[in-house]
Amino acid sequence: AQKVTQAQTEISVVEKEDVTLDCVYETRDTTYYLFWYKQPPSGELVFLIRRNSFDEQNEISGRYSWNFQKSTSSFNFTITASQVVDSAVYFCALSIMDSNYQLIWGAGTKLIIKP
Amino acid sequence: DSGVTQTPKHLITATGQRVTLRCSPRSGDLSVYWYQQSLDQGLQFLIQYYNGEERAKGNILERFSAQQFPDLHSELNLSSLELGDSALYFCASSVSGQANTIYFGEGSWLTVV
Repeated sequence: AQKVTQAQTEISVVEKEDVTLDCVYETRDTTYYLFWYKQPPSGELVFLIRRNSFDEQNEISGRYSWNFQKSTSSFNFTITASQVVDSAVYFCALSIMDSNYQLIWGAGTKLIIKP
Repeated sequence: DSGVTQTPKHLITATGQRVTLRCSPRSGDLSVYWYQQSLDQGLQFLIQYYNGEERAKGNILERFSAQQFPDLHSELNLSSLELGDSALYFCASSVSGQANTIYFGEGSWLTVV
C-alpha cells in the first residue's frame, strides 16, 4: 500500500532555530515522485519541491534543504535559521503510476515559529 | 503566484443552494484538478480533467459535478449544499497529469450557513 506519514503534528521553535520536518513514505513502485508543499495561514498551497525516485541528491534552496534517503524511505525537510514567515502547515506528498499519479498526501505538520 | 486563478475567493451561501467555482489553469497546462480541504478531513482529491475529458475521480459527492471547457478553464458545481460542505476548495493544474508538478490556486473559501 502507498502511504505518506508525517508523524509530527505540530512543531514549535523560536526564530533562528533550525527545524526538520519528517516525511516517511511507503510504496512498492520503483518509480515515484515526492513533493513538499507549504500552506501559510492565508490558505494557499505553495509548491516547494519535486523529487523523482532516481535522484537521491540532496537539494538546497536558500534556507531550505531536503534530504532524500531511499534506504529509509524518507524525504525530510530542513529549514535553517527559521523565520516567523516560515510558520505554516507543510505537506509531504507521493505520486506513483498505480494511483494514476494522484498525490497521496501526508497529514501535514504545523510549524510555529515564535519571535 | 502559481498562475492558477480561482474565483470567487470567498463565498457564503445558505444550505440547499447551488454554487459554481471557477478555475483557470496555468498557461500551457492541460490537466485540472479539484480538491476539498476541510478541517476534519484534510486534503481530499475530488476529480481530475485532462484536455476536456475526465481522467480520474476521487471522493466527489454526487451532488458535486465538474467540467473542463475547450478553453481549458474548469468549473466545479456544488448543489444542495449542506453545512458540512463548508471548506476550502482548491483548483490545481499540471502540464499533462502524468507525474508533473501540480500547482495550486489560492483556493475558494466556501461557507454554508
